[in-house]
Amino acid sequence: QKEVEQNSGPLSVPEGAIASLNCTYSDRGSQSFFWYRQYSGKSPELIMFIYSNGDKEDGRFTAQLNKASQYVSLLIRDSQPSDSATYLCAVNEGAQKLVFGQGTRLTINP
Amino acid sequence: ETGVTQSPTHLIKTRGQQVTLRCSSQSGHNTVSWYQQALGQGPQFIFQYYREEENGRGNFPPRFSGLQFPNYSSELNVNALELDDSALYLCASSLPGPDTQYFGPGTRLTVL
Repeated sequence: QKEVEQNSGPLSVPEGAIASLNCTYSDRGSQSFFWYRQYSGKSPELIMFIYSNGDKEDGRFTAQLNKASQYVSLLIRDSQPSDSATYLCAVNEGAQKLVFGQGTRLTINP
Repeated sequence: ETGVTQSPTHLIKTRGQQVTLRCSSQSGHNTVSWYQQALGQGPQFIFQYYREEENGRGNFPPRFSGLQFPNYSSELNVNALELDDSALYLCASSLPGPDTQYFGPGTRLTVL
């Protein structure tokens, strides 16, 4: 069983600071990596995907992938209270399924 | 909004009953995946349908079954409900292969 590990948190960050969310995965052959945001009682919402080593930026969000270390992270710059949510890391296993971590609960304090 | 819809929103059943959950995929997406998310956990893959055939299955018993229709909509059926089946059931649509999956709003199932 392929595994995706996240620190469950809660992670508390002051408003305006950088939030750093981390994820490790066990399958060295994984090719596609995703970050989803999930507000309480809602379904996961795609934030970013990354396929290549390095950084990928989209607005205030940056995804970082290091395949050698089997590590993917999400940075949120200028954190806002509306960023408070659970962040799910997901990795493709084969062509069909996503394997999710348990999620990191992030709280942005005004 | 992802364009993926699910019904019903909430459902309460008793142990031993059967339930059918429904999903309509995003326009242009012909692949539908189902996930179960227990409270405080990440989603767990149940199965995927492509061209009306099951195209991969997770570690769920046979009482979890599904269908996909020619218009790419899908159903998840669960027989002989157990208390542990209480969860948020998520449908995701995508193109074939390791493509980005977009989730619907989910169905909250409570088994008493």
